[in-house]
Amino acid sequence: DQQVKQNSPSLSVQEGRISILNCDYTNSMFDYFLWYKKYPAEGPTFLISISSIKDKNEDGRFTVFLNKSAKHLSLHIVPSQPGDSAVYFCAATAENNAGNMLTFGGGTRLMVKP
Amino acid sequence: EAQVTQNPRYLITVTGKKLTVTCSQNMNHEYMSWYRQDPGLGLRQIYYSMNVEVTDKGDVPEGYKVSRKEKRNFPLILESPSPNQTSLYFCASSLLGRTDTQYFGPGTRLTVL
Repeated sequence: DQQVKQNSPSLSVQEGRISILNCDYTNSMFDYFLWYKKYPAEGPTFLISISSIKDKNEDGRFTVFLNKSAKHLSLHIVPSQPGDSAVYFCAATAENNAGNMLTFGGGTRLMVKP
Repeated sequence: EAQVTQNPRYLITVTGKKLTVTCSQNMNHEYMSWYRQDPGLGLRQIYYSMNVEVTDKGDVPEGYKVSRKEKRNFPLILESPSPNQTSLYFCASSLLGRTDTQYFGPGTRLTVL
């Protein structure tokens, strides 16, 4: 059973509006969460992360919110730009995991329309 | 330029024909890993290595082998490929303990007929 789930396989948003990508997890040992962005024909690239000691982390247009009690996190992109169109993967790990092992969600394809 | 390279980028092969996908990084990273990406399942870890001659299984190791004889290289070996190994494969590397800075290669699309 998938421990990290992204229930929306795709999302379409108008340029300038907010994009909200959601992610749910089941493993209570996860304490560090990351978002990766992937363009076609390229590998994923790190976007933003959050530790379980926080409930919000912001980096420019990107903000990640963490709700530990609900085992839910979300990525907000404001304002959305056409260049944000990509597949976004949520990932989770335990910070004391020396194996650097990441557990990924299935991804959400974001399309930002001009 | 810091990068992870994979070869080949695309490969079509037949069942049972041994193949190797190479991965190389130029950042002197201790940690290297292989993932496969399948629709709806995201990236799943196949094998990882925390240093030379140290390898361990990830979530989906069956049907794969790896080796880490040099720090920069981490080849993925399919001794007898099967159609269910048709997938998009990514190699990644990072410093130990720095999951946020895993650098991914561009991917290898493998089709097994």
